[in-house]
Amino acid sequence: AQKVTQAQTEISVVEKEDVTLDCVYETRDTTYYLFWYKQPPSGELVFLIRRNSFDEQNEISGRYSWNFQKSTSSFNFTITASQVVDSAVYFCALSDLSYGAGSYQLTFGKGTKLSVIP
Amino acid sequence: ETGVTQTPRHLVMGMTNKKSLKCEQHLGHNAMYWYKQSAKKPLELMFVYNFKEQTENNSVPSRFSPECPNSSHLFLHLHTLQPEDSALYLCASSQEGPNPGNQPQHFGDGTRLSIL
Repeated sequence: AQKVTQAQTEISVVEKEDVTLDCVYETRDTTYYLFWYKQPPSGELVFLIRRNSFDEQNEISGRYSWNFQKSTSSFNFTITASQVVDSAVYFCALSDLSYGAGSYQLTFGKGTKLSVIP
Repeated sequence: ETGVTQTPRHLVMGMTNKKSLKCEQHLGHNAMYWYKQSAKKPLELMFVYNFKEQTENNSVPSRFSPECPNSSHLFLHLHTLQPEDSALYLCASSQEGPNPGNQPQHFGDGTRLSIL
């Protein structure tokens, strides 16, 4: 089974609509870290947020918000009032210890391609 | 100047060529990574260097050979590659603590590699 599942391969929304990108993860560790990265067409992955498994507070940063729910192993990402510049591939990632003792390893989902249409 | 710089941006090579990808980070980080990004596949971690020591090698074929001469520079030496090695190769760096691997990684723009 995949450790990080982003079921939405591609999403298209019209500018100013809200959009939620889903992420479901799987781990046996009690301590782990979740990330979201944005990859615009230029190729560089841009770090957006990191959460640890003990902090379930939702976070808001401008038009971005994240909903972390351990009960459903989900870490969803919502963009409010989307803009054309939000068009990119968004990756959810999990860092846990399950690959070996003492060393976290980052596992990425396959990504969700978001297209915001003007 | 961007935090993580990769050169070249694009590389086309034949299967018998030898080439190297270069990555340089200007962030003072102590860990560096190579990833492979192929179409329709998740990013694959290839190599991890922590304090210049290689700590992970995720079953990468020996035709890929990493080198980390110092904590700011990372190379990926390529030889006798196969067509399936065509991909975007991304370098990243992070500042790791006692339990490495849980810090945000900063990525370069990548090298788009095409094998003829």
